[in-house]
Amino acid sequence: AQSVTQPDIHITVSEGASLELRCNYSYGATPYLFWYVQSPGQGLQLLLKYFSGDTLVQGIKGFEAEFKRSQSSFNLRKPSVHWSDAAEYFCAVGARNAGNMLTFGGGTRLMVKP
Amino acid sequence: EPEVTQTPSHQVTQMGQEVILRCVPISNHLYFYWYRQILGQKVEFLVSFYNNEISEKSEIFDDQFSVERPDGSNFTLKIRSTKLEDSAMYFCASSGDGAVNEQFFGPGTRLTVL
Repeated sequence: AQSVTQPDIHITVSEGASLELRCNYSYGATPYLFWYVQSPGQGLQLLLKYFSGDTLVQGIKGFEAEFKRSQSSFNLRKPSVHWSDAAEYFCAVGARNAGNMLTFGGGTRLMVKP
Repeated sequence: EPEVTQTPSHQVTQMGQEVILRCVPISNHLYFYWYRQILGQKVEFLVSFYNNEISEKSEIFDDQFSVERPDGSNFTLKIRSTKLEDSAMYFCASSGDGAVNEQFFGPGTRLTVL
C-alpha cells in the first residue's frame, strides 16, 4: 500500500531564512510525487510535481523539490521564505495516469516569524 | 485561469439527512475526484470518475455515498444519510490529460453534521 509521511507537523522559520520540508513515501511502483499548499480557507494549490527525468524540480513561488529514490524522499525547499508562505504543505504520491488516487501525507504547518 | 469551483462553501445538516455537494470541474477536464479532510487529519481519497463511471474508490466510499455527472458541467457527491463522522472538508478535483495525473483542486465544502 502506498503511504506518505511528513515527519514535521509544525515548522517555524524567520522571514528570509531557508526552508526544508521533509517528505518520505512508500510506493510499490515508480512514484509520481507532488507538493500542494493550502492557505487558510483555500483549496489545495499544486506547487510542483515529479514524474521523471531531472530529480530536482522547480515549482511556483520559488519552491523546489528533490527526488531521492535511495532515501524514498521528496523534500521541499525554498532558499528565502516570505511571510506569505505561511500555510500548510502537503506531499502526495500517486500513479502516473489520471484517474488514480493521490495519497497525501499529514501535512506540515509552516509559520513565518517577522 | 480556469479553476474548479464548489458549492456551497459550508453546509450544515442534521444527522440522517441527505446532502449533495456540488462541483464544477475545469471545463475540458475528463477525470473527476472527491477527497475529504476531517479536521486535523490527512486528505483522504474517496472516489475517481471517468466517462460516467467510477474508476476507483476507497473503503470510505460505501453505499451511503454516490457520485454523478448530471450534465456537462457539474459533478456531485451525495451522502444519503449523514452521520456525525461525515463532518469534514470535501474537496473536488479534476484532471485533463489521461497520461498525467495532475489534479486541480477546488476550495472545498465544509460539511458539518449535527
